[in-house]
This record gives sequence, C-alpha cells and structure tokens, in this order.
Amino acid sequence: DAKTTQPNSMESNEEEPVHLPCNHSTISGTDYIHWYRQLPSQGPEYVIHGLTSNVNNRMASLAIAEDRKSSTLILHRATLRDAAVYYCILRDSGTSYGKLTFGQGTILTVHP
Amino acid sequence: GAGVSQSPSNKVTEKGKDVELRCDPISGHTALYWYRQSLGQGLEFLIYFQGNSAPDKSGLPSDRFSAERTGGSVSTLTIQRTQQEDSAVYLCASSFSPSPIYEQYFGPGTRLTVT
Repeated sequence: DAKTTQPNSMESNEEEPVHLPCNHSTISGTDYIHWYRQLPSQGPEYVIHGLTSNVNNRMASLAIAEDRKSSTLILHRATLRDAAVYYCILRDSGTSYGKLTFGQGTILTVHP
Repeated sequence: GAGVSQSPSNKVTEKGKDVELRCDPISGHTALYWYRQSLGQGLEFLIYFQGNSAPDKSGLPSDRFSAERTGGSVSTLTIQRTQQEDSAVYLCASSFSPSPIYEQYFGPGTRLTVT
C-alpha cells in the first residue's frame, strides 16, 4: 500500500482556519485520498475523500496537488470539538478490499 | 439513523479465558471490518467481510482469533485463550461497499482488558 506522511502534531486557535498537510509521493493513479479523524475515546469518523479534484463538504475541504503527491485538509473555522487525531489514508480500488491502513496521524490541538 | 453498535463496551477477562465481541453494522452495509487499537501498535486491520464471507483475514494476529458474520449482518469476533497482549480497543466498521468511493462508519469500540 502507498504510504502517507503527516506531521506528528499541529496547534490552532479556535475560530481560525487549520491546514493539515499530507504527503503521498508514491500514490498510484487509482488511489483515493481519504481523511478520517478520531476524537478522544471514540472510534474514527470519516471526514472527506477525493481522487483528483478539490472537494468540499460540511465538515472540511480537501485540496489535492496537481501531481497528486500531496494534499491538504482544511478546517475553515476550528472549534474545540475539532481537537482530534487526523489520519490521511490512501485507498485503492484494486484488491485491498477497502481496508483502511492507518498511520500515526496528526494530533490537532485547538486552543480556546 | 442507527449507526454501528458494539457490545460489550468494556470487557475485563482473566488470561486464558475466551471472549466474544459483537458488532451490529448499519443495515444494508455489505462490507464489515474489524480493527484493533492498542498503545503499542496504533490502529490495525484485522479482518474484512463481504456478506458472510471473509476474503481477507490477513490481519488476524494468531489462530486464537476468529470471526464470523451471519445473515450478512451481525459479526462476532472471538478470541480464545486470551493473553495480556490482546488488551486493546476492538473497533468494528461497516460500509455500503468496499469500493473506495464509500466511507466506513465506525462503532464506539469494545475495550478489552486481559488481567
């Protein structure tokens, strides 16, 4: 499976935008870029995913580099509830049966 | 609507005992996954079900671990002769399909402590 690289931790202030980077230089043409987050003492939850184009949903935006070797998850106005571990995961449409391969993720701290 | 549920939420067992962990996926979701999260290993995949079949069991750590799914719905993860290294949070997730265009929905997990 193609691997991703994320910073171990990031900090933000409440109501400010947050840009969480992810490098995936070995991404293949059929890999989708997924983001999940895990709040304290909860199971992971889906945030957003994309293939080539930038994506927006009610939770966040995903900006994908033109060469697809990196992406950025954007939280437009961080809240205290956004404090979590954020995982950038590549999912291929081949024979991996859709399983998620989690790395260490980025621990996001949001200051009031 | 109802999400993925897991039971029990917490389980404390003695070393050597067998345990069963249950997962109720979202209705209509054909794909079901088990993961576990431990301090030393992070989040790791255990097994994948499509319907009642398990085409990918590659993450099961030993033959003490087994799982089944019945009626294309409920799944049970069984750990025989538990060891202290089995202590972890066991997470279940379901998805409409294994295709990467669909997200996985996770349950709250079962925290297993082996004493």
